[in-house]
Amino acid sequence: DTAVSQTPKYLVTQMGNDKSIKCEQNLGHDTMYWYKQDSKKFLKIMFSYNNKELIINETVPNRFSPKSPDKAHLNLHINSLELGDSAVYFCASSQGRLAGELFFGEGSRLTVL
Amino acid sequence: LAKTTQPISMDSYEGQEVNITCSHNNIATNDYITWYQQFPSQGPRFIIQGYKTKVTNEVASLFIPADRKSSTLSLPRVSLSDTAVYYCLVENTGTASKLTFGTGTRLQVTL
Repeated sequence: DTAVSQTPKYLVTQMGNDKSIKCEQNLGHDTMYWYKQDSKKFLKIMFSYNNKELIINETVPNRFSPKSPDKAHLNLHINSLELGDSAVYFCASSQGRLAGELFFGEGSRLTVL
Repeated sequence: LAKTTQPISMDSYEGQEVNITCSHNNIATNDYITWYQQFPSQGPRFIIQGYKTKVTNEVASLFIPADRKSSTLSLPRVSLSDTAVYYCLVENTGTASKLTFGTGTRLQVTL
């Protein structure tokens, strides 16, 4: 069983399109995250939700909108995609809001043409 | 947030012990030190976490001196499969964690 699963794993799209990445965790964790890893391999946190409540919202363009329908799911919607949005997006989860051990998904590689 | 500094890359031969040191001069009292491992095309994976002195698990050991301004991840007898990027993080347990990842250390293990 995959603990943290993301779909799709690969996503190629044109500039200006809107796309979503879905994440689900079956670990029973309370907190979920979205991270972005760029071409230089820097891994930066974007958002964090604890029991469906947004608790971390880093300096991210408002074209990025997370949505957590329940504590097992955290989706990422991106409007008006730009070339600079090309990256690998990782979903993660942890028990409690203080992170501790993070469990990451396998990543979703987004390529904007 | 305490910033971390670690070597960009390291090379090792299979079977050797590898020690990766991380500097975190501004570590705060409530901060824990955590190490993650990332293989290509995968998400980071938790290796070990510690607060002070020494922590050991089945994968690695973590050495933290008394002043806690640095820490050393020790991988005993590395194999080719240990080739990965290793991230050192400092996490404040008193607030909602942001777990900021640095640039990591790329470890290359060869025969």
